[in-house]
Amino acid sequence: GNSVTQMEGPVTLSEEAFLTINCTYTATGYPSLFWYVQYPGEGLQLLLKATKADDKGSNKGFEATYRKETTSFHLEKGSVQVSDSAVYFCALSDVGGGATNKLIFGTGTLLAVQP
Amino acid sequence: EAGVAQSPRYKIIEKRQSVAFWCNPISGHATLYWYQQILGQGPKLLIQFQNNGVVDDSQLPKDRFSAERLKGVDSTLKIQPAKLEDSAVYLCASSWRGNANTGELFFGEGSRLTVL
Repeated sequence: GNSVTQMEGPVTLSEEAFLTINCTYTATGYPSLFWYVQYPGEGLQLLLKATKADDKGSNKGFEATYRKETTSFHLEKGSVQVSDSAVYFCALSDVGGGATNKLIFGTGTLLAVQP
Repeated sequence: EAGVAQSPRYKIIEKRQSVAFWCNPISGHATLYWYQQILGQGPKLLIQFQNNGVVDDSQLPKDRFSAERLKGVDSTLKIQPAKLEDSAVYLCASSWRGNANTGELFFGEGSRLTVL
């Protein structure tokens, strides 16, 4: 079945460092890909998405490109801030027979940014 | 705009007891989801409703878990009897509709269950 594999954390960086969180997927068909973020004490929220191959999603300085050839959707940011400390989840949409919007999540990667 | 509301935020029970969680989605959202997030794992879909009908409950342990959304608005998830392995955060989410690939689910803060 469809699945998502994320790099394990925690990832600890200094402020202004470059961030990469790896995500690869296994899927039949052409799913959409997402990154969700969970800040401390808050619910999951959508960070960015890409709906087809070679699309780049971007938001708040974060970017991820939908690479079909490598089945990857790595999250990057050029200069992280302390406020980016959170858990990041990679996810894909699993299109059911009724075209329902079911998301399959990776295990999450904890990012800790130190001042 | 009010977000997805869940209660209680925390619950501690002993095994074989029962528990219920409540969720009120964002107004106008037709689709409601319950996810289970075990520590160290990603959220796993338990059940999906479209209005008051069940769309997907393939991963719901039906011998102990039940959920309803009687009026197509708020929803209740029940566990009876609870097992130790049910300790997790139960996340409720909603979206405008269940169409494929729209992707934006709005999540509540979750209800953390500890089974002793």
